[in-house]
Amino acid sequence: GAGVSQSPSNKVTEKGKDVELRCDPISGHTALYWYRQSLGQGLEFLIYFQGNSAPDKSGLPSDRFSAERTGGSVSTLTIQRTQQEDSAVYLCASSFPGIEQFFGPGTRLTVL
Amino acid sequence: KNEVEQSPQNLTAQEGEFITINCSYSVGISALHWLQQHPGGGIVSLFMLSSGKKKHGRLIATINIQEKHSSLHITASHPRDSAVYICAVPNAGGTSYGKLTFGQGTILTVHP
Repeated sequence: GAGVSQSPSNKVTEKGKDVELRCDPISGHTALYWYRQSLGQGLEFLIYFQGNSAPDKSGLPSDRFSAERTGGSVSTLTIQRTQQEDSAVYLCASSFPGIEQFFGPGTRLTVL
Repeated sequence: KNEVEQSPQNLTAQEGEFITINCSYSVGISALHWLQQHPGGGIVSLFMLSSGKKKHGRLIATINIQEKHSSLHITASHPRDSAVYICAVPNAGGTSYGKLTFGQGTILTVHP
């Protein structure tokens, strides 16, 4: 079966513009995670969706970041008024609860 | 918040050598993840373990819950093992699988 997919694979945008990053999890996985990896930095948790529960947004770095998950499947991470420090690889993962996470290929975001 | 320390940060080996990467964390957990990130950026989950030892091919992961320590071993290392190896634990300890805290990663380079 298909793994986790993300789009676009690369996104270059100008400072101040809004961007949307998409994640398609593995079918049936109820848990979905967004992470960020800035250049030379480790992985950083952003947000976690589990079924119909309220998402854990505690990792979002500012109110410019938001995410939603429609129908318990596809998720969109939105960054408003992008800043240069938002440049990073944004990774999505999905899993059944308590089971290993399967990672997507990531979206490389560059803010000029 | 769980603090994760990996060692070494960089590791260079000759093909065939036995490799050990260590991970220590500060808050008791029920499971720990080992991830592999290839030079192209893709992340693969290697192990999720809660006790004892797991083996997959030439990879072996062990965990000591009481000592809050895990090791990843690679037997008969090969240049294709060259990657970044990342340890991850639940952020708040316990069984909070969703929100992970990551180590900084160990950069492994295996020379032929």
